[in-house]
Amino acid sequence: EPEVTQTPSHQVTQMGQEVILRCVPISNHLYFYWYRQILGQKVEFLVSFYNNEISEKSEIFDDQFSVERPDGSNFTLKIRSTKLEDSAMYFCASKRDHNQPQHFGDGTRLSIL
Amino acid sequence: TQLLEQSPQFLSIQEGENLTVYCNSSSVFSSLQWYRQEPGEGPVLLVTVVTGGEVKKLKRLTFQFGDARKDSSLHITAAQPGDTGLYLCAGVPTTSGTYKYIFGTGTRLKVLA
Repeated sequence: EPEVTQTPSHQVTQMGQEVILRCVPISNHLYFYWYRQILGQKVEFLVSFYNNEISEKSEIFDDQFSVERPDGSNFTLKIRSTKLEDSAMYFCASKRDHNQPQHFGDGTRLSIL
Repeated sequence: TQLLEQSPQFLSIQEGENLTVYCNSSSVFSSLQWYRQEPGEGPVLLVTVVTGGEVKKLKRLTFQFGDARKDSSLHITAAQPGDTGLYLCAGVPTTSGTYKYIFGTGTRLKVLA
């Protein structure tokens, strides 16, 4: 069964550095998402992406964050000037069309030191 | 703020017991998804409920969508240790004016052998 894949599984970065989290959504999916889950807390929506542009973003998704679909298969989340509080699991999700449920990757655990 | 409240927050039961997990909101949802998440992994889709009053069965799991589409329940019959995990409900409130997925607060289930 096709799945969403995310790399790396764990990223450790010094505070202030930039990180890029990578996702390969399911190939025929058109809607892409990033979520964040801080340890012990609930999954939070960050951003949705459709037709090569951001369709919605949350209050969390400020100028520190950006997303890109650099080619036909990858979907990336860039976090600039990382802070300690950016430490979390970051999940990518995709879905085929508007009425379908989202399918999630296994996440990238981001640890900011 | 639109919320999905899940109860109980934690549940520890013996193998073979039955249990019910609840997902409640004051908002109406066009559909609700149930996911199970295991440590270090992403949420895995279990089911989508769409119609008010709908009941869906997945082996020993029975999902129900409330008539008013504001709540849902998950009933597990004869729980097994393999059912251990974090159960999440999620969806988009119809009145939110957005397509942002919100997740419930989660129920952490532990089934003891």
